[in-house]
Amino acid sequence: AQKITQTQPGMFVQEKEAVTLDCTYDTSDPSYGLFWYKQPSSGEMIFLIYQGSYDQQNATEGRYSLNFQKARKSANLVISASQLGDSAMYFCAMRARRDDKIIFGKGTRLHILP
Amino acid sequence: GAVVSQHPSWVICKSGTSVKIECRSLDFQATTMFWYRQFPKQSLMLMATSNEGSKATYEQGVEKDKFLINHASLTLSTLTVTSAHPEDSSFYICSARDRGHVGYGYTFGSGTRLTVV
Repeated sequence: AQKITQTQPGMFVQEKEAVTLDCTYDTSDPSYGLFWYKQPSSGEMIFLIYQGSYDQQNATEGRYSLNFQKARKSANLVISASQLGDSAMYFCAMRARRDDKIIFGKGTRLHILP
Repeated sequence: GAVVSQHPSWVICKSGTSVKIECRSLDFQATTMFWYRQFPKQSLMLMATSNEGSKATYEQGVEKDKFLINHASLTLSTLTVTSAHPEDSSFYICSARDRGHVGYGYTFGSGTRLTVV
């Protein structure tokens, strides 16, 4: 069975600091994809970054990077130079190759302090 | 980029009535769509996978007769909450798979907030 674990229910970070959101996963499928989504209070799901299980390099998208440690089954999201607008709920998610569906972790509520 | 339109964005209905939520892929064909449910301050829970032209695949514990899913075309999937009750009040969000996008390509609708009174 697939599982996504986010152990930080909430985090408070000072503006302009870097922040790491933790995510570990479990799957028996050798081919899978990992996602991070941002959900502001409006409810929309904003795609941030994707990492394929066979990708050799860590994914980066602007201020977002994914610290992929395959042996540890972790896929932490790093946000550099945090901004007030980064305050939101962040979800780690996974898709196994054998089916198309995405499952989500419980999320981390990030608060950026001015 | 890929756009998914979900309608309505919010709805209030009386207990015992049915509510239909639409999910449309505007600029791509989506053979597969997904329906999620999210309670306040909780994660997204997958309810079902909707496949064009065939029956939906429901996750364990989701009542098929209560949450009717129809995927009649490559751009439209609908979720009907039948005989709604207050405990069905939740945020429902759909996602469409854009197979033209290598690796990933899941686009989410903006969600529907359902309140049953």
